[in-house]
Amino acid sequence: GENVEQHPSTLSVQEGDSAVIKCTYSDSASNYFPWYKQELGKGPQLIIDIRSNVGEKKDQRIAVTLNKTAKHFSLHITETQPEDSAVYFCAASSTYNQGGKLIFGQGTELSVKP
Amino acid sequence: DGGITQSPKYLFRKEGQNVTLSCEQNLNHDAMYWYRQDPGQGLRLIYYSQIVNDFQKGDIAEGYSVSREKKESFPLTVTSAQKNPTAFYLCASRLDFLVTEAFFGQGTRLTVV
Repeated sequence: GENVEQHPSTLSVQEGDSAVIKCTYSDSASNYFPWYKQELGKGPQLIIDIRSNVGEKKDQRIAVTLNKTAKHFSLHITETQPEDSAVYFCAASSTYNQGGKLIFGQGTELSVKP
Repeated sequence: DGGITQSPKYLFRKEGQNVTLSCEQNLNHDAMYWYRQDPGQGLRLIYYSQIVNDFQKGDIAEGYSVSREKKESFPLTVTSAQKNPTAFYLCASRLDFLVTEAFFGQGTRLTVV
């Protein structure tokens, strides 16, 4: 079946450094790739998303890149701050597959040390 | 304010009991989803609904049931047939099932006692 692999599972960086999280997906029909941030005991919140007709998208300190040929996409956070510490999930979905269900990666626990 | 609301935040269930988790949205979204989250794992799809009066099984539907009688409501029942129900349950909604953002509720933590 379809799946999304996410790496690394944990990531520790110093405040001000950059953080990169990578995901690969298996379903070549996937056309929507969101990234979610989840704080402890709360629901995930969308931080950025990208559609298959775009290779890169940026929103202030956050950027996402997509390589459809290789079926992988990455989240880049620059100038990290302690409040960026959380669990980050990537996901992929296809309009044509099971109601556009989002298939999630296993998550990355990001820790930003002051 | 528009949003998606789950209740209760914490729920305790005795073995052999059915419990129902509530999910309500006022975003006028057609599509709604239930996910289960276990520690250190990603979210797994239980059920989804693309439109009122219609729903489909996800990847881990056994031991769960849903209904979609109203557009804004998508309750999840965890039945006694679910052998390991202790988990964090998340409800989400989307405008439609195309390439649109999914909004999540704050979750319900279910514990079997």
